[in-house]
Amino acid sequence: NAGVTQTPKFQVLKTGQSMTLQCAQDMNHEYMSWYRQDPGMGLRLIHYSVGAGITDQGEVPNGYNVSRSTTEDFPLRLLSAAPSQTSVYFCASTSLGGVQSEQYFGPGTRLTVT
Amino acid sequence: GESVGLHLPTLSVQEGDNSIINCAYSNSASDYFIWYKQESGKGPQFIIDIRSNMDKRQGQRVTVLLNKTVKHLSLQIAATQPGDSAVYFCAEMRRTSGTYKYIFGTGTRLKVLA
Repeated sequence: NAGVTQTPKFQVLKTGQSMTLQCAQDMNHEYMSWYRQDPGMGLRLIHYSVGAGITDQGEVPNGYNVSRSTTEDFPLRLLSAAPSQTSVYFCASTSLGGVQSEQYFGPGTRLTVT
Repeated sequence: GESVGLHLPTLSVQEGDNSIINCAYSNSASDYFIWYKQESGKGPQFIIDIRSNMDKRQGQRVTVLLNKTVKHLSLQIAATQPGDSAVYFCAEMRRTSGTYKYIFGTGTRLKVLA
């Protein structure tokens, strides 16, 4: 299994540009989520999904959209990039039927908005 | 390199000594408490979790202690090795309405001194 994969690893955007961060998992996990990680702060939840066709907002959803057309993929779209969105983004997945709490994280995408 | 954790508390431990990393949590209704390890440039990696109805759980070289009276969680690493150098996060997880809610702490940086 490849686990959770994310692309790209690094991205630089100009203010106002849009882009999509890709996330895929091959573990047939129902639950997928996007977090951002900023210096001195814990991971903050942006959006999450409990299955194909179902998404919901997390703690910091403004400026981001998600969709879940398949179990495997959960892309994150930045509609109009702002410097405040400079961060490291992590995608994670877990099984809702699991007996423990483990989330599997991808390697992250480092985004800089100038 | 990793920009996360510029202002994190740091624990410096001599190689071979035991490490204790502490965390305070806020939600008494959480179902699981979890420890993650994050190495520079990588995504968080699950270490160990503990259910809310337990006080102690042991893994390989790691022990998690849960004190619900004072809402305190600790991670003990025995015989700390250079490969243990990383940022360690605690997290709370609660099952609610068919999904999971995770809340992450800000992290502690562990430095292992040779």
